[in-house]
Amino acid sequence: GESVGLHLPTLSVQEGDNSIINCAYSNSASDYFIWYKQESGKGPQFIIDIRSNMDKRQGQRVTVLLNKTVKHLSLQIAATQPGDSAVYFCAENIARGDDKIIFGKGTRLHILP
Amino acid sequence: DAGVTQSPTHLIKTRGQQVTLRCSPKSGHDTVSWYQQALGQGPQFIFQYYEEEERQRGNFPDRFSGHQFPNYSSELNVNALLLGDSALYLCASSLPGNTEAFFGQGTRLTVV
Repeated sequence: GESVGLHLPTLSVQEGDNSIINCAYSNSASDYFIWYKQESGKGPQFIIDIRSNMDKRQGQRVTVLLNKTVKHLSLQIAATQPGDSAVYFCAENIARGDDKIIFGKGTRLHILP
Repeated sequence: DAGVTQSPTHLIKTRGQQVTLRCSPKSGHDTVSWYQQALGQGPQFIFQYYEEEERQRGNFPDRFSGHQFPNYSSELNVNALLLGDSALYLCASSLPGNTEAFFGQGTRLTVV
């Protein structure tokens, strides 16, 4: 089916540590995956994306890993900062030419001082 | 560049009423998508407009309709409002065939 889900609804991380947010998806035909950050009172903000023909992609302080064998996606945030506090959504796009984005429920990331 | 702008930011309506929400896409973008985000949930795709036509639609009833204007701005209309329509309504704009979507801050609709 077209579903994207997350393992944990809330994650608490010490400031300066690395954060890992996990996500499972069920549609093996999904072609494109995106991580969004949503701060309180704001719309989702694009963080990083990855296509199904890749297994890793790095950005500034963020890395996305894709394991197609077990249909698992993760977002790693290095040296977590207070400004990283937000809800993080993984999302998928089923196929090229289909622009519909399917979001999971989200993980709230708390940064501990 | 103002990015994606939505109006109004907040709205309270009564059950049975009709509502119109507005969205101006990011400069240069001609594709507009609408999403509904219930509290504590991820956004759910409603529909997408391109070249003034509805190109794709999610699993929403016909009470939800939209429009895109020649300047690429868009409206979302919801008729016969239900309490369950209370949500944050998000507009996202993109270029055709480019799934990197830019979201507005949303309109918080409360139906009482």
